[in-house]
Amino acid sequence: NAGVTQTPKFRILKIGQSMTLQCTQDMNHNYMYWYRQDPGMGLKLIYYSVGAGITDKGEVPNGYNVSRSTTEDFPLRLELAAPSQTSVYFCASDPGTSGGRTQYFGPGTRLLVL
Amino acid sequence: KQEVTQIPAALSVPEGENLVLNCSFTDSAIYNLQWFRQDPGKGLTSLLLIQSSQREQTSGRLNASLDKSSGRSTLYIAASQPGDSATYLCAVITDSWGKLQFGAGTQVVVTP
Repeated sequence: NAGVTQTPKFRILKIGQSMTLQCTQDMNHNYMYWYRQDPGMGLKLIYYSVGAGITDKGEVPNGYNVSRSTTEDFPLRLELAAPSQTSVYFCASDPGTSGGRTQYFGPGTRLLVL
Repeated sequence: KQEVTQIPAALSVPEGENLVLNCSFTDSAIYNLQWFRQDPGKGLTSLLLIQSSQREQTSGRLNASLDKSSGRSTLYIAASQPGDSATYLCAVITDSWGKLQFGAGTQVVVTP
């Protein structure tokens, strides 16, 4: 199993440009998440989804959009990139079962906005 | 609002010493607590998951304890090795949607 995959690994954007960060999981997990990690900080939740067609905002959603048309894919869209969006973005998934649920993380996308 | 704190921010120990990493959280109403390892430029690897009804979890040289009433968890790594050098993050889940709330991490360096 590939687990959680993310593309691209690294990207440089100019201010005002847009892009989509791709995330795919092959574990048939219902729950998926997008986090961002700034240098020296923990991860902060941007958006999450509990199944196809259902998404909701996390702690830092401004400047981002998501969609969930399939169980496998959860793309994150950046509109009008700003320097404050320079960060490392992680996608994660979990099966959503009660009790000992564990989140599985992708390798991350490093984004630099200049 | 839940706040998760990890102290110290950085730690350096000689090989063979035991590591003690601390995590505190302000709201004791958690579903579970998870410890992760992050290597430079890499994603997160789950180390241990402690459910809210449990007091501790063990895996090999790793042992994590949870005291919900005091809002604390401790990760012990026995007989540290240079390969244990990484950043260790703790995170709590406080609702049924599984959203993780992270601490800022402890950067560990184990010197040979």
